[in-house]
Amino acid sequence: AQSVTQLDSQVPVFEEAPVELRCNYSSSVSVYLFWYVQYPNQGLQLLLKYLSGSTLVKGINGFEAEFNKSQTSFHLRKPSVHISDTAEYFCAVNPNTGNQFYFGTGTSLTVIP
Amino acid sequence: EPEVTQTPSHQVTQMGQEVILRCVPISNHLYFYWYRQILGQKVEFLVSFYNNEISEKSEIFDDQFSVERPDGSNFTLKIRSTKLEDSAMYFCASTRPSMNTEAFFGQGTRLTVV
Repeated sequence: AQSVTQLDSQVPVFEEAPVELRCNYSSSVSVYLFWYVQYPNQGLQLLLKYLSGSTLVKGINGFEAEFNKSQTSFHLRKPSVHISDTAEYFCAVNPNTGNQFYFGTGTSLTVIP
Repeated sequence: EPEVTQTPSHQVTQMGQEVILRCVPISNHLYFYWYRQILGQKVEFLVSFYNNEISEKSEIFDDQFSVERPDGSNFTLKIRSTKLEDSAMYFCASTRPSMNTEAFFGQGTRLTVV
């Protein structure tokens, strides 16, 4: 069985400050890892994904994430946030044996001017 | 850029009524999904569909739910007799052929059951 845990439900951060959104997962099989962003009243947009290879992946809007297999984590980071980064962020896993995407409960990032 | 489109964006229905949520996946995609997100909760998998049949479904997807690809472009989710707890945002998604590693999501349909 797979599960995804996002421990921080809300993260307030000042503009231009760095941010890290945490994601841990559990799975009995290898997984692909994703971060999606949901802006208000919009759908889910892919930020970045890890399939294989380098454990540090870069995505859109200056975000990056690092896959840590030993800690089963895939934390999302940005060195300097903007007001426009205010959104809901979802971590997701796709076990490479199936077609489902399992989502975490989401982290609401609020950037304070 | 091609995108997944969903209609309507918002649907209000009375308890016990049938609703059909519509999705047009990206044209060359082969796997289709429905997810739902109850307000304040996580995005939950409902069903996946491939080659004109359900490939996986969750416990949520009971006999009240059905999916169909009636005409080769639309992908619909029907809820036969809606309950208050069906109120949620419903997302459709699709993935590319031979590359079901990235799901493209629609903007969602907000279903409100009153």
